[in-house]
Amino acid sequence: DAMVIQNPRYQVTQFGKPVTLSCSQTLNHNVMYWYQQKSSQAPKLLFHYYDKDFNNEADTPDNFQSRRPNTSFCFLDIRSPGLGDAAMYLCATSRIGQGLAKNIQYFGAGTRLSVL
Amino acid sequence: AQSVTQPDIHITVSEGASLELRCNYSYGATPYLFWYVQSPGQGLQLLLKYFSGDTLVQGIKGFEAEFKRSQSSFNLRKPSVHWSDAAEYFCAVGAEGYSTLTFGKGTMLLVSP
Repeated sequence: DAMVIQNPRYQVTQFGKPVTLSCSQTLNHNVMYWYQQKSSQAPKLLFHYYDKDFNNEADTPDNFQSRRPNTSFCFLDIRSPGLGDAAMYLCATSRIGQGLAKNIQYFGAGTRLSVL
Repeated sequence: AQSVTQPDIHITVSEGASLELRCNYSYGATPYLFWYVQSPGQGLQLLLKYFSGDTLVQGIKGFEAEFKRSQSSFNLRKPSVHWSDAAEYFCAVGAEGYSTLTFGKGTMLLVSP
């Protein structure tokens, strides 16, 4: 089945040690999103790619970076994780274009990041 | 700027009883509205969406929602709740064309025996 896959499901890192989270999709969607979700809160959009165009949210810390080497993959890099970065990280995709369904986002199962 | 309010943080419903989760939005034009469900430790699953047309929309798992423009609401309903419906529910609003979604803070549904 076509889907959005996030790896790993659980990631433990040390304070200040760089970490990379992975997202892949088989939906051939042109937009990929990264959200941060802390406990009992709404998902917060960090950034997204529309094809190769990177769109950063104004309040996303510089500590968070992203790469999209091709249509299928997108990575979230946290350069120096702090304790406050412990959260669930959700990847989503959508297909934007004329005549297509209006920005329906499909989510992966998420990566739970712990920072020790 | 668009915003979404889900006034209920937690709701407890007896199994078999009916359910209504509230969602109010603020948006200047015609909104696109969504309900997502999130089980513990999982991603978000789309329940239903409203773009235009019939204001009562049907979704998966027996859920429905009604768009009421005059009340800026998009409440989610289910006539008979099952224990497996226990999860967190998020309402979201988007706009026509290419736009990101704005989520509400979510409502946690607890189902009692």
